[in-house]
Amino acid sequence: EDKVVQSPLSLVVHEGDTVTLNCSYEVTNFRSLLWYKQEKKAPTFLFMLTSSGIEKKSGRLSSILDKKELFSILNITATQTGDSAVYLCATLSFGNEKLTFGTGTRLTIIP
Amino acid sequence: NAGVTQTPKFQVLKTGQSMTLQCAQDMNHEYMSWYRQDPGMGLRLIHYSVGAGITDQGEVPNGYNVSRSTTEDFPLRLLSAAPSQTSVYFCASSYSPDRGHGYTFGSGTRLTVV
Repeated sequence: EDKVVQSPLSLVVHEGDTVTLNCSYEVTNFRSLLWYKQEKKAPTFLFMLTSSGIEKKSGRLSSILDKKELFSILNITATQTGDSAVYLCATLSFGNEKLTFGTGTRLTIIP
Repeated sequence: NAGVTQTPKFQVLKTGQSMTLQCAQDMNHEYMSWYRQDPGMGLRLIHYSVGAGITDQGEVPNGYNVSRSTTEDFPLRLLSAAPSQTSVYFCASSYSPDRGHGYTFGSGTRLTVV
């Protein structure tokens, strides 16, 4: 059974801090790993990672995948209150085109 | 483009009632999925479809039916609602899950079964 584990479950930091969110996986026929941000409603896409060691960046957010150790990290630098959300990690496998999600990390930024 | 549209946004059902959650997308996406989200359990796949006329079960399919008669629509039917089906339901679609942005999600339906 495919498994995606995120840590920590929740995190509270002050505005301006840097945070690192973790995602490990045990997935058959792994294809890609995706990060989503969920505020009040629908998850919104952040990154898709397919190759090991190649960092993806979008503004203050960055992510990298390690396919040997089976994990990914999501970094957020200079955090802002608008970064408060649940961050979801998901994997995509060859052959079935469906996402397997972790339980998410709830990030709270204190002004 | 409206994206992925889910209706209704909120629903209260009595135990034993049936209903259909609607999902429509206008992006000509072949891949569509239904997830439920419960506290502490993340998003769990109920059913998914890789094209019109093709559906398959996900992780938690019991008590739910789906059909895919058109590319645009992917309704989720609750056959006989139970309190355990109280949850937030998300529909998602994708042109090709391994390209670009993976899946695009609708804004969700919050269902309460009493």
